[in-house]
Amino acid sequence: GQNIDQPTEMTATEGAIVQINCTYQTSGFNGLFWYQQHAGEAPTFLSYNVLDGLEEKGRFSSFLSRSKGYSYLLLKELQMKDSASYLCAVKRRDSNYQLIWGAGTKLIIKP
Amino acid sequence: DVKVTQSSRYLVKRTGEKVFLECVQDMDHENMFWYRQDPGLGLRLIYFSYDVKMKEKGDIPEGYSVSREKKERFSLILESASTNQTSMYLCASSLTGVSQPQHFGDGTRLSIL
Repeated sequence: GQNIDQPTEMTATEGAIVQINCTYQTSGFNGLFWYQQHAGEAPTFLSYNVLDGLEEKGRFSSFLSRSKGYSYLLLKELQMKDSASYLCAVKRRDSNYQLIWGAGTKLIIKP
Repeated sequence: DVKVTQSSRYLVKRTGEKVFLECVQDMDHENMFWYRQDPGLGLRLIYFSYDVKMKEKGDIPEGYSVSREKKERFSLILESASTNQTSMYLCASSLTGVSQPQHFGDGTRLSIL
């Protein structure tokens, strides 16, 4: 089967670090995307991982372990504007187009 | 910057009506997608198109059809709207390629009464 799991909601403090996990089970794997979605807005692309390891992009980093079917998004120096949902999506090997989406993690930042 | 524009942010229709949702992208992307987004569920693919006049069913195509007469425009049609089609509808586009991200419009919140 194909399945993606993320925590439903997380809370963190402004200035802190938070890690949002994503585990997946797919019949084939061709890369993993992270998107950010503010309430009432469009999802926006954050990162793409296809090889194992950590990809750093400013305050945001994304990690992938293909053998474990596991990824995380690491957000550092949290700001209030980081309050949003974070969506994990896996690209299927058998499709050049289709993504399998997790339900998203709602991140709440408190002062 | 890629711009994906959906014709309406909010739409209210009645059961049984034929409903058209329009999406236009300005970056010459080959691929276009229609999703619906419901609380607690991931984005679910309704239909996608990889070229003009070409379309493929996604995971939940029942009750929907699509049209792509021009490369920049992808329309979603609810043939006979039902209350269980009340949802947020998101259009996206992308270039072809494994690492190419999808770019989304702001969504249409559709209510069927």
